[in-house]
Amino acid sequence: AQSVTQPDIHITVSEGASLELRCNYSYGATPYLFWYVQSPGQGLQLLLKYFSGDTLVQGIKGFEAEFKRSQSSFNLRKPSVHWSDAAEYFCAVGTWGKLIFGQGTELSVKP
Amino acid sequence: GAVVSQHPSRVICKSGTSVKIECRSLDFQATTMFWYRQFPKQSLMLMATSNEGSKATYEQGVEKDKFLINHASLTLSTLTVTSAHPEDSSFYICSVGGVGGGETQYFGPGTRLLVL
Repeated sequence: AQSVTQPDIHITVSEGASLELRCNYSYGATPYLFWYVQSPGQGLQLLLKYFSGDTLVQGIKGFEAEFKRSQSSFNLRKPSVHWSDAAEYFCAVGTWGKLIFGQGTELSVKP
Repeated sequence: GAVVSQHPSRVICKSGTSVKIECRSLDFQATTMFWYRQFPKQSLMLMATSNEGSKATYEQGVEKDKFLINHASLTLSTLTVTSAHPEDSSFYICSVGGVGGGETQYFGPGTRLLVL
């Protein structure tokens, strides 16, 4: 079955600290991979995506993600978190327009 | 990317009434739009794929007679929740696909529906 797992429901980090959000997937083939961010009551904003090529992809707002085929993972990282990064983060995978979303990880940032 | 708007941003209605939600692609002619539903503190679930000029494709378990989708133009798709009940209360989000021929979806800001 196709699925996306974000093991951490809620993460709290201090402002300026590094961040890693985990994402594992189960899919028949290598899918397209995405990270989206959702602020409260808002839609989703695309942070970055991986289709092929270099497995380390850069996104907006200083985020990056690394695709590891052997681990079926696509973890999101940021070296220094800002208070404005507090939001819900969703990992999504899919092909041909059908996206499967993970459960989301809520990020809180301590001052 | 693509800029997507939704209207209304929030709506409260009485049980038994119908509610229409609009999704507009402001800067891209979208042949394909998607409708998602999101319950509080949960993930997004794809409800249906809306194709311009043809019938929508519904996901398993989604009642097509309850959630009517119309994609009459390349910039507008509508979702009508018919005979709404409290359990239909949710956050409905649309997205646009196929921008630049790619797989990325661009999402609208969502519509909060509360059925009393």
